[in-house]
Amino acid sequence: EAQVTQNPRYLITVTGKKLTVTCSQNMNHEYMSWYRQDPGLGLRQIYYSMNVEVTDKGDVPEGYKVSRKEKRNFPLILESPSPNQTSLYFCASSLGLPRSTDTQYFGPGTRLTVL
Amino acid sequence: TQLLEQSPQFLSIQEGENLTVYCNSSSVFSSLQWYRQEPGEGPVLLVTVVTGGEVKKLKRLTFQFGDARKDSSLHITAAQPGDTGLYLCAGVSLSGGSNYKLTFGKGTLLTVNP
Repeated sequence: EAQVTQNPRYLITVTGKKLTVTCSQNMNHEYMSWYRQDPGLGLRQIYYSMNVEVTDKGDVPEGYKVSRKEKRNFPLILESPSPNQTSLYFCASSLGLPRSTDTQYFGPGTRLTVL
Repeated sequence: TQLLEQSPQFLSIQEGENLTVYCNSSSVFSSLQWYRQEPGEGPVLLVTVVTGGEVKKLKRLTFQFGDARKDSSLHITAAQPGDTGLYLCAGVSLSGGSNYKLTFGKGTLLTVNP
């Protein structure tokens, strides 16, 4: 089954404790991205990657890191999480750049709480 | 920064009623996508409209892209409880040369009561 998987689905952590949220897709997609979704603010892009070893900042990259060492994986790293990073995070992938004809597939989400 | 304004933000209706959700911007988009998101899940693409003035139908859902490619609407006929969810519009635009960017609206939370 074609899908985007994220782990963990739920995470409660404390300020400053490094964490990684994994994202994997099995569709051989080149384009992957991370979003955060907050009430009243909608979905905002954190980082995106157009291919292996190619990443770029989205709208809200501060406090986050990403890597793309393999085509299928795109982990999101929070080196020193803070309470304002409490949010619902989504990973997404598409065959290519989000052009007119490319469908973007979203993962199930990771709900992160930073105390 | 390109913004997409969705309205209404919340909508609660009875089963069988019709409704329209709007997505407006002052910017031109290459295309516009509509997603539906259910609680505990990621957004799922419903449709992409590409050409100004384009109308697409998906069963009881009708999507329209404005002539100037700055706005879009989603109309649902005879809404059913299964239509309940968060509806998101997203505009696709060129950003910095050949990169494409997806900008999301804040969403319309629709509740259809039996």
